Amino acid sequence: GAGVSQSPSNKVTEKGKDVELRCDPISGHTALYWYRQRLGQGLEFLIYFQGNSAPDKSGLPSDRFSAERTGESVSTLTIQRTQQEDSAVYLCASSSIGTSGFVGEQFFGPGTRLTVL
Amino acid sequence: TQLLEQSPQFLSIQEGENLTVYCNSSSVFSSLQWYRQEPGEGPVLLVTVVTGGEVKKLKRLTFQFGDARKDSSLHITAAQPGDTGLYLCAGEAVTGTASKLTFGTGTRLQVTL
Repeated sequence: GAGVSQSPSNKVTEKGKDVELRCDPISGHTALYWYRQRLGQGLEFLIYFQGNSAPDKSGLPSDRFSAERTGESVSTLTIQRTQQEDSAVYLCASSSIGTSGFVGEQFFGPGTRLTVL
Repeated sequence: TQLLEQSPQFLSIQEGENLTVYCNSSSVFSSLQWYRQEPGEGPVLLVTVVTGGEVKKLKRLTFQFGDARKDSSLHITAAQPGDTGLYLCAGEAVTGTASKLTFGTGTRLQVTL
């Protein structure tokens, strides 16, 4: 597609349920990132996939959070046993190699707004 | 953990005023990006600065990367309501062959008529 897409756009769930969020990156982008953004705040890094390298999971807040990526395509972020504090917008971004040789421009999806009741 | 602090956190100004947003860290970055985010959308890249002391201009926006590559500033001249949004800086840190962006805390700008 032309840009990064995410689904669903909105998700309302009950505390304790599992949720799965999906990200379709721009074709050809080797890097994929997940961020969490609480209302009115900046971006909190969650996880980073780069090609076939082991993902950087250093930002995952607890073992209830996990993510997978199939090759250089779709990624899913799974939150198990959701808690109210998980309510936020979850943003996905993809990028290719930039001029510095490493990080290029990150192209963001519109996000998934998660509400845990 | 590399932290990027932005100041101010919130800024409400009138159309035509000038403003400066600061992005500071104790860490050195190989490059620094500035993004703007509007409500309901993902952030969009405005500029990337790579060289210490570099200054880039984008119409009424002027971006500067500090000499030591630890800080950056964004100056907006004659702000307009269309400049309203959340401004985020993001520093690139390279470790071996791996690289990662760390986003700042954000500055929310509101420009009123």
